[in-house]
Amino acid sequence: QGQLVQSGAAVKEPGASVKVSCKASGYTFTNYFMHWVRQAPGQGLEWMGIINPSGGSTTYAQKFQDRVTMTWDTSTSTVYMELSSLRSEDTAVYYCARASWDLVPLFDYWGQGTLVTVSS
Amino acid sequence: QTVVTQEPSLTVSPGGTVTLTCASTTGEVTSGCYPNWFQQKPGQAPRALIYSTSNKHSWTPARFSGTLLGGKAALTLSGVQPEDEAEYYCLLYYGGAWVFGGGTKLTVL
Repeated sequence: QGQLVQSGAAVKEPGASVKVSCKASGYTFTNYFMHWVRQAPGQGLEWMGIINPSGGSTTYAQKFQDRVTMTWDTSTSTVYMELSSLRSEDTAVYYCARASWDLVPLFDYWGQGTLVTVSS
Repeated sequence: QTVVTQEPSLTVSPGGTVTLTCASTTGEVTSGCYPNWFQQKPGQAPRALIYSTSNKHSWTPARFSGTLLGGKAALTLSGVQPEDEAEYYCLLYYGGAWVFGGGTKLTVL
């Protein structure tokens, strides 16, 4: 079992940064990776990157390479995704998704999503 | 840049069978792309259905199955139920990065 609870909706002005949190419970936090995925209004899913809470290694999608930072806090079993230099196109629901890779990779539990609105 | 393509929309009758596919501009989709499939209903977070081509989660209904078909990943629904009406997304792995397909809107009519 596992549960991911994300922070609440945020409204940001263009050029600002946003930091979304994803608090994990019900499992050993450092045994699983965490992906971040976003979905613009009426659009499909877009993979942003992955963090390994056991050591903190990250891989970011090329599109977000220079604007995204994923971090973690083992003491609170929380991962964070910070996106900087926000523009209107970043308005989207942001999801965290748990994953593992034993013999093969798999995604299982997802957070409820966090709506980030970028508007002046 | 890899682009993953899915049928934009499909329609199926209740009790029928439908196959959704997932193709890549890079070429053949193989088991090394570890295809994952997700279901998303309006206003909800995605739900994982299939991982690594054909493996089901404990909560995945038996009527869902995954395979590789003609160079693509495929998701087949057999005995479709009204509650299967949703958007379906595939996800492929390419050397450290993941790429979602554009999604297929499945209508049960």
